[in-house]
Amino acid sequence: QSALTQPPSASGSPGHSVAISCTGTSSDVGGYNYVSWFQHHPGKAPKLIIYEVSKRPSGVPDRFSGSKSGNTAFLTVSGLQAEDEADYYCCSFGGDNNLVFGGGTKVTVL
Amino acid sequence: EVLLVESGGGLVQPGGSLRLSCAVSGFTLSSYWMNWVRLTPGKGMEWMGNISPDGSGRSYVDSVKGRFTFSRDNAKNSLYLQMNSLRVEDTAVYYCARGTDLFPGVDYWGQGTPVTVSS
Repeated sequence: QSALTQPPSASGSPGHSVAISCTGTSSDVGGYNYVSWFQHHPGKAPKLIIYEVSKRPSGVPDRFSGSKSGNTAFLTVSGLQAEDEADYYCCSFGGDNNLVFGGGTKVTVL
Repeated sequence: EVLLVESGGGLVQPGGSLRLSCAVSGFTLSSYWMNWVRLTPGKGMEWMGNISPDGSGRSYVDSVKGRFTFSRDNAKNSLYLQMNSLRVEDTAVYYCARGTDLFPGVDYWGQGTPVTVSS
């Protein structure tokens, strides 16, 4: 299964918003509402911030939101803060006990 | 607190072998599917496969099938990844990640252990 497609980079000023796309196919992103997003500060453990397209685990600020349209999922980070500077990865269920990840997007807070 | 700690990474020559470990705490390992994921410089995150709670079921992606083997010892709260016939393209940071019973995916990860395959 091919990796999901994410833009390599995105940026925004403090207090502003940034949106990241994650494009797959009808066999993964488009076929299931099982898209999750992870925040990764290099050298640390990735952290789950969105699951089932738009749900937030306990403790994740509501500045993080997720959505999906067709074969593309989106992560929006509103009210950008310095600590949001990190790599973000999407992940989708691909059917038949398979998961597929995106290539990652580096978010820079200007 | 859920914790996963990988170890065993290092430098290995092409064709060589390496065994990674993942020690877990803060949850009952025997209740969860466990996954292995790697982060490569050019390709991003790649899900390599998973192992069922009792170890009887294993799923591998094509790129590692026949070369990598997942195993676990629930009594020791540990997960293992045996990597054989290593290739330069296996160079990556390797993570263990807990499967979640809320949805088909993973929730908690370790901090990763780096593997470099080079002569």
